Amino acid sequence: GDSVTQMEGPVTLSEEAFLTINCTYTATGYPSLFWYVQYPGEGLQLLLKATKADDKGSNKGFEATYRKETTSFHLEKGSVQVSDSAVYFCAPRNAGGTSYGKLTFGQGTILTVHP
Amino acid sequence: ETGVTQSPTHLIKTRGQQVTLRCSSQSGHNTVSWYQQALGQGPQFIFQYYREEENGRGNFPPRFSGLQFPNYSSELNVNALELDDSALYLCASSFTHSDTQYFGPGTRLTVL
Repeated sequence: GDSVTQMEGPVTLSEEAFLTINCTYTATGYPSLFWYVQYPGEGLQLLLKATKADDKGSNKGFEATYRKETTSFHLEKGSVQVSDSAVYFCAPRNAGGTSYGKLTFGQGTILTVHP
Repeated sequence: ETGVTQSPTHLIKTRGQQVTLRCSSQSGHNTVSWYQQALGQGPQFIFQYYREEENGRGNFPPRFSGLQFPNYSSELNVNALELDDSALYLCASSFTHSDTQYFGPGTRLTVL
């Protein structure tokens, strides 16, 4: 089945530092790829997505590029803020089989940004 | 436009009881997916409903069941609760089964 490997956390950065959170996946077919963010005590919010190879998803200064050759979708941000402190989840969406449309999540990466 | 809503926010039950969680999908969405998120873990797919039919199921026992209504709202029912069922239950809706899923705030279930 589908699986996701995310960079182990927690990740601790100072404000304005550069952020990379690595994500690699295995999936059936040609999945769409998503990053979701979860703030303490809340549900998941869609951060960005990419639906085909070489697509770049972007939102709020975050970016990730769909790399089919390396089955990766690494998340980057040039200058993090304290308000970016949260848990980040990479998730491919199943593109076939009996669980079409299912999102597969890894454990998530905890990001803490200090002033 | 109203987003995905879930009720109740929190719930405490004892082992062996039954529970029903509710989800109202975002306007225009006909697909609802349910996920279980244990503390410190990523969400795990339970099942998905598309136009009132179950459209896929994860590795959960039959005591986890669901319904989707004509207005596309949904229920998750769990029978014979176990301590390990304690988790945040997330509902997500999408325009169709192949579109982006938008999540609600979740229901925190505690089983004592």
